[in-house]
Amino acid sequence: KNEVEQSPQNLTAQEGEFITINCSYSVGISALHWLQQHPGGGIVSLFMLSSGKKKHGRLIATINIQEKHSSLHITASHPRDSAVYICAALFGNEKLTFGTGTRLTIIP
Amino acid sequence: NAGVTQTPKFQVLKTGQSMTLQCAQDMNHNSMYWYRQDPGMGLRLIYYSASEGTTDKGEVPNGYNVSRLNKREFSLRLESAAPSQTSVYFCASTGWGLDPDEQYFGPGTRLTVT
Repeated sequence: KNEVEQSPQNLTAQEGEFITINCSYSVGISALHWLQQHPGGGIVSLFMLSSGKKKHGRLIATINIQEKHSSLHITASHPRDSAVYICAALFGNEKLTFGTGTRLTIIP
Repeated sequence: NAGVTQTPKFQVLKTGQSMTLQCAQDMNHNSMYWYRQDPGMGLRLIYYSASEGTTDKGEVPNGYNVSRLNKREFSLRLESAAPSQTSVYFCASTGWGLDPDEQYFGPGTRLTVT
């Protein structure tokens, strides 16, 4: 069965801390997405990756295909990073399977 | 470009009423999706359409119908709403060229069925 698990479910940190959110999946995938859902509900795509590492500003996403694991890192976290972060895996077809999300709260 | 648009943003229905959620995208994407999001659960696929004229069931299709009117529009219909369909509904689209592409999401429709 195609499954995606995220950890932690909730994460609270102080402004400036380095944040790591983890995602593991059950079988081989074509691609993995990281999404951000703002408190207002909108969902935006942060990264899509199938190997290695991608960086956008303070956000870094990595994937280890052999270990079936991906991480999303946020450097120098800021209260505006507070959101729900969702990973989603593409298991070879056109449909994504989503994790349940990590709720991140950054305290000033 | 407006991206993916959805209407309405909010809706309250009584049990047994029907309604259609509208979705449109202006990115010339082939694939469109309808998801529902419930507390404590990941986004779950209701239906998707890989191209104009085709639709397929996702993980939770019961109680819903869809229509891919043209390449731009993909509607979701609740024929007889039930309280279990209270949820936030998201439409999404993606290009699917030679390689996997990002999914672009609409702003969501918050539906309450009483």
